[in-house]
Amino acid sequence: KAGVTQTPRYLIKTRGQQVTLSCSPISGHRSVSWYQQTPGQGLQFLFEYFSETQRNKGNFPGRFSGRQFSNSRSEMNVSTLELGDSALYLCASSFLTGALNTEAFFGQGTRLTVV
Amino acid sequence: DQQVKQNSPSLSVQEGRISILNCDYTNSMFDYFLWYKKYPAEGPTFLISISSIKDKNEDGRFTVFLNKSAKHLSLHIVPSQPGDSAVYFCAAVLGGNNDMRFGAGTRLTVKP
Repeated sequence: KAGVTQTPRYLIKTRGQQVTLSCSPISGHRSVSWYQQTPGQGLQFLFEYFSETQRNKGNFPGRFSGRQFSNSRSEMNVSTLELGDSALYLCASSFLTGALNTEAFFGQGTRLTVV
Repeated sequence: DQQVKQNSPSLSVQEGRISILNCDYTNSMFDYFLWYKKYPAEGPTFLISISSIKDKNEDGRFTVFLNKSAKHLSLHIVPSQPGDSAVYFCAAVLGGNNDMRFGAGTRLTVKP
């Protein structure tokens, strides 16, 4: 079955702009989590959506937001982009949410560069 | 707030030898731990996991050890192969959610 699909793969934006990233989870998976990967901070949790509801949120400013649709696809939005937002954004999907199902499958990521 | 730490940014081993990757955590409430492997230009892929009620889990060449009193886990790869060369992330989870806290990663290089 198809894996986690993230689009676009690469994106260049200028400071102050906003950006929307998309993630299509594995068919049947209802949980989608977003992570930011930077060389200095490693992988950091942004938020998790399950059945269209945000279940958990990491320690990121309100400029970072997301949503999930009824088909489990998720979008992540970053407004008023800053240079420090340049990173690889990874989406992970899993069938369930909760401690019993923590094997998440990651997409290839979207490389965002803010200039 | 780095609750999960991988203090070795890189590790180099000879093919056929053992690779030992280490991970420390600070939050004693973590109850599930995972290791992910990441190749360049790809997302992390799940490798092996361990519940806090166990101290060892083995899957083929990969074994994860958990020492709860020391808040330390390690991944052993025996024997190491050149294809194992990648960045390895350890992650910890608090029960009830999918909020994984990752370490900064260790780049493993296995030399032929």
